[in-house]
Amino acid sequence: NAGVTQTPKFQVLKTGQSMTLQCAQDMNHNSMYWYRQDPGMGLRLIYYSASEGTTDKGEVPNGYNVSRLNKREFSLRLESAAPSQTSVYFCASSGGTSGILDTQYFGPGTRLTVL
Amino acid sequence: AQTVTQSQPEMSVQEAETVTLSCTYDTSESDYYLFWYKQPPSRQMILVIRQEAYKQQNATENRFSVNFQKAAKSFSLKISDSQLGDAAMYFCAYYGSGGSNYKLTFGKGTLLTVNP
Repeated sequence: NAGVTQTPKFQVLKTGQSMTLQCAQDMNHNSMYWYRQDPGMGLRLIYYSASEGTTDKGEVPNGYNVSRLNKREFSLRLESAAPSQTSVYFCASSGGTSGILDTQYFGPGTRLTVL
Repeated sequence: AQTVTQSQPEMSVQEAETVTLSCTYDTSESDYYLFWYKQPPSRQMILVIRQEAYKQQNATENRFSVNFQKAAKSFSLKISDSQLGDAAMYFCAYYGSGGSNYKLTFGKGTLLTVNP
């Protein structure tokens, strides 16, 4: 039981490049989330998916797209990376039907640098 | 908009002693939840404890307890018998039931060092 896994762990991009961050969970959870964490800040929600086939914007969705490929996988895409997107990205998942009140399980994060 | 403030960027404690981390929040909602999350050097966020605003009794999880003062909008975390493994960044977070079902508001965090 690996929990929540994220790939890659580290990535350096040039401005304008695109990339996809991958996330998978093996806990049969309905809900999945993408957060970003900037230095000295708490997490901010980018997008979330309450169930397979649905996605919704969080607090800071601009510049990102997501895909809930199936129940296990939730990917985050940067179409044209900008230096302002330099951050650590966390994926999380939760079971139940109470949204944020269900315990969230986090992945180890991806450290992204955009030059 | 709700805000969460952690006024202590860094704290330190001796092993086996007790430390209290502060958190205050601002909200006009009456029904909400508060959380403390731990982020060790591995960067993985771990839920430590949560408190429902409608409950007067302070939440407790083993060595971790909170002091919830609703009128003062204060939510501090007490760690008793501190252990080296408690060293981490601690985040206070708020969820208001009147808002999005999926939005947590986080404070900026307090870095806790545990000295042997």
